[in-house]
This record gives sequence, structure tokens and C-alpha cells, in this order.
Amino acid sequence: EPEVTQTPSHQVTQMGQEVILRCVPISNHLYFYWYRQILGQKVEFLVSFYNNEISEKSEIFDDQFSVERPDGSNFTLKIRSTKLEDSAMYFCASSEWSRERTNTEAFFGQGTRLTVV
Amino acid sequence: GDSVTQMEGPVTLSEEAFLTINCTYTATGYPSLFWYVQYPGEGLQLLLKATKADDKGSNKGFEATYRKETTSFHLEKGSVQVSDSAVYFCALLAYNNNDMRFGAGTRLTVKP
Repeated sequence: EPEVTQTPSHQVTQMGQEVILRCVPISNHLYFYWYRQILGQKVEFLVSFYNNEISEKSEIFDDQFSVERPDGSNFTLKIRSTKLEDSAMYFCASSEWSRERTNTEAFFGQGTRLTVV
Repeated sequence: GDSVTQMEGPVTLSEEAFLTINCTYTATGYPSLFWYVQYPGEGLQLLLKATKADDKGSNKGFEATYRKETTSFHLEKGSVQVSDSAVYFCALLAYNNNDMRFGAGTRLTVKP
């Protein structure tokens, strides 16, 4: 069964460093997402991406964040200068596009746990 | 904006008890509604979904009915098991965008 894969599963970085979180969405999906979940808290939307551009973004997704689809398979989230409060589980997701909206649930990866020290 | 509100946990039940986790939503138009489950140490997995009013989603003994009149999508299971212990998230996908919105999550612990 196709699945969304994320690497690494856990990353530790020093405050102020740049990190890149990587995701391989399901191959025939057209929408890609990043969400984050601070430990014990709710899942928060960061950004959605369609047709090689950002479709929507939340207020959390400020200038320190960027996303990219560098090739036909990868979808990355870059955090330029990490802060302690960026420590969280980051989930990538992808979904199909359906005019009838019958198959557009998001499929999630296992997440990357980012720890900023 | 579109949002989902679900009952706060944690919820602790004995095995074979009846489960209800309430979820209500606010949205313009006709959203699709979902329940996701997150087992300890894992990512989010789709549990069930409903895409229009009066639809009932069901999976693994869990059910939820899309109630437009009460803007609700409550999750129910008649007899929970220890293996159902997880965090359950209600989610909404608005008709006119692809930004899935999640509730805060409800942690369920089932004791033998």
C-alpha cells in the first residue's frame, strides 16, 4: 500500500541552525501539506502546496519557513534559524485532487521529531 | 474561519465500555469530516470519514454520522478494547480549499 515517508525520524539541532525535513508523498497525489504537533498539543496546519506553489499557509508559517519540491518525488520543509519553540513533531501529508471530493483525505507520514537545543 | 471543536480529554474507560467523543464544526458550505487516530509513537491514521450530510463513516467498530442540523460528527464505539487506547482527532476539510483543520485531540485510555 502506498504511503508517505518522512526522513529523518528524529533530528536534534542547535538553536539558530537550519534544518531541512524531507518527505516523499504518495506518487499520484497532487496536494502536499506540512503540519506540526508540539508535544501533547493539537495538530496545527502549517502550509499546503499545489502545482509547485504554496496554496495556503497559516500564521505559524512565517519567513523562517519555506517549502520546496526540488524534484518529482520529494517535498521539503526548511526552517532557516531554528528556535527552541520549533521543537515539535512535523508531519507531512499528501492527498489526491477530486472534483467530487470523495477521496481527498490526507495521508500522513510517520513524522519527524525535531528537537532544538 | 472553519474550525473543529472536540471534547477535551483525557477519557479513561474500562474495557467493553461504550465510547462517545464529541466533535462539532464550524464551516461555510459543505465540508468533509474525518476522524484520525494516533497510536503512541506513531503518525496520524485515517479512521473514518463522511463527505456529506447523513453519511455514516465506520471502521474497526467505530462509527460517526455527519449531522448537518447539529454540525456534529461524534465518534462512537459500542465496546472499546485496550488496543483502542490512542489520541483521536476530529478533522474538517472545507469544500473550497485543501487545508484540513484538526480538533485538539482527545486522549483515550482503556483499562483492562
